[in-house]
Amino acid sequence: GIQVEQSPPDLILQEGANSTLRCNFSDSVNNLQWFHQNPWGQLINLFYIPSGTKQNGRLSATTVATERYSLLYISSSQTTDSGVYFCAADTGRRALTFGSGTRLQVQP
Amino acid sequence: SAVISQKPSRDICQRGTSLTIQCQVDSQVTMMFWYRQQPGQSLTLIATANQGSEATYESGFVIDKFPISRPNLTFSTLTVSNMSPEDSSIYLCSVESEGDEQYFGPGTRLTVT
Repeated sequence: GIQVEQSPPDLILQEGANSTLRCNFSDSVNNLQWFHQNPWGQLINLFYIPSGTKQNGRLSATTVATERYSLLYISSSQTTDSGVYFCAADTGRRALTFGSGTRLQVQP
Repeated sequence: SAVISQKPSRDICQRGTSLTIQCQVDSQVTMMFWYRQQPGQSLTLIATANQGSEATYESGFVIDKFPISRPNLTFSTLTVSNMSPEDSSIYLCSVESEGDEQYFGPGTRLTVT
């Protein structure tokens, strides 16, 4: 099956800083999603982005399908951005394979 | 996007017992999925549940341990049977919306003592 790798595994930022999270995947994908898991365990949909670039406020994402990677950009980070960010991909099975996540801590 | 609810939100159970988790969606969906997230880990797919057919289980998960029902297009249940402390996890259901994007329920946090 598809392999999904995320980096870095952990990230500590000062409030206001920018960051880039990376997701590499081993096969062509039909679906690529980014999620934020908050401290209560809820998975929040950030982007559905099998290819191209999208922006939503301070967050943006780019997927380069031909090179099998996706990037999540967080600008002007806030303490509420803390949590775990997951990338997940689907090759057509219609079930997601998750990466191991990036744990982000934003300090005031 | 779909609105998904799960019951219970959390539970503490004794080893050897079983717990049934319910997943309710506010619209009809073809495919529903059940995932497990062990403490400090990522999410792992348990099975895919289609209405009117047997669930399809991933490697390492068996029907006797995790029986699933899918009686209609808006509802599914996952039972965790004969529980042990290793079953302590968050269990999440998800659905595929129009356009292939998946949405997740709030999860059921299970602790087995």
